[in-house]
Amino acid sequence: AQTVTQSQPEMSVQEAETVTLSCTYDTSESDYYLFWYKQPPSRQMILVIRQEAYKQQNATENRFSVNFQKAAKSFSLKISDSQLGDAAMYFCAYRSFDQGGSEKLVFGKGMKLTVNP
Amino acid sequence: AAGVIQSPRHLIKEKRETATLKCYPIPRHDTVYWYQQGPGQDPQFLISFYEKMQSDKGSIPDRFSAQQFSDYHSELNMSSLELGDSALYFCASSRHTGTSSYEQYFGPGTRLTVT
Repeated sequence: AQTVTQSQPEMSVQEAETVTLSCTYDTSESDYYLFWYKQPPSRQMILVIRQEAYKQQNATENRFSVNFQKAAKSFSLKISDSQLGDAAMYFCAYRSFDQGGSEKLVFGKGMKLTVNP
Repeated sequence: AAGVIQSPRHLIKEKRETATLKCYPIPRHDTVYWYQQGPGQDPQFLISFYEKMQSDKGSIPDRFSAQQFSDYHSELNMSSLELGDSALYFCASSRHTGTSSYEQYFGPGTRLTVT
């Protein structure tokens, strides 16, 4: 079974600075998807970014980028120019790629990000 | 853009009662997933449906059942409610293209409180 680990339960960053959230995972599959979801106080789950394991290029979405290290099974999220609205719980998630595998999302325990003005 | 709709948004039930949660996926999405998020916890997968057939099953209690209807909306039925069922229940939807589906988009959740 796949597992996702977020070892830092909380982090804080100053507004306009850069912060990196770490995530590691364990799987025996060669192809899969990885995601970062954001959950603000409203509790809505918002997709931030995704990475296909077969792609070597790291995904980027505006101020959000990932550092995907497949061999190390590491998938970190970098937030640049942090804004107050980035304050939220961040969940790293794994999903199998192949049709025969489960398409459910397996989440890490989450990390609470505080942004200080 | 249209999003996943869940109803009701809040529900208060007593122990041993029954609850029904509804989910309306994004138009043209054919797959629905249900997750349960307890207080301070990460979302846990319960069950999923693709083209009205159950496609995967997670840690869903036998007291719970679900189905997907011909219009692709889904309902999660919960019976003999227990205090521990108090949680935020998310529905997510996705669309299969080719042999695999992509991102799952979450609804706002239904907050169930069992007293």
